[in-house]
Amino acid sequence: GESVGLHLPTLSVQEGDNSIINCAYSNSASDYFIWYKQESGKGPQFIIDIRSNMDKRQGQRVTVLLNKTVKHLSLQIAATQPGDSAVYFCAETNSGGSNYKLTFGKGTLLTVNP
Amino acid sequence: KAGVTQTPRYLIKTRGQQVTLSCSPISGHRSVSWYQQTPGQGLQFLFEYFSETQRNKGNFPGRFSGRQFSNSRSEMNVSTLELGDSALYLCASSPTLWAGGGETQYFGPGTRLLVL
Repeated sequence: GESVGLHLPTLSVQEGDNSIINCAYSNSASDYFIWYKQESGKGPQFIIDIRSNMDKRQGQRVTVLLNKTVKHLSLQIAATQPGDSAVYFCAETNSGGSNYKLTFGKGTLLTVNP
Repeated sequence: KAGVTQTPRYLIKTRGQQVTLSCSPISGHRSVSWYQQTPGQGLQFLFEYFSETQRNKGNFPGRFSGRQFSNSRSEMNVSTLELGDSALYLCASSPTLWAGGGETQYFGPGTRLLVL
């Protein structure tokens, strides 16, 4: 069935280091992927997205990589800061289907140590 | 511009009761989607409303329903509450129909429902 999973439930990094959060997906029909950040007591916040016709997309300090061959998605955060501490979710959807729905991974807790 | 607002922020109900949650989208946004977040199941899509019509729904029983008003505000109702309905209910708005990626969704802070 459809599922989105994360390899690491927790990730602890030092301030200034680069962080990499990984995500595996199983639905080969998914063509749109999103990374969200959720801080305690808040709703998810959009970070970056990527469509299946791309392998890489960059934002401000963040890069998303998509490997459709192995159905793998990653989020790279450069120069990680304490404010980056949060739970990060990947999500996938088949945007072209009539029954689209956003399927979320379980989340990875990123802790940035000063 | 004000963000997505949800009321109430916290709610305690007992089994068998019903509950109505409210979501006010960002001004000018016409689409509202609802999600349930639990520690066990994570974030799950409930439904999306656009132009007062439900456009898509997730795999939830009929006890979960919603509606959207002409001003784009949306309500979600859960009838005959069960213990497993305890969760954080999030709504998200987007300028037009989200439909799986047409626009960026902006989430509210959520309503935390506890069913005893």
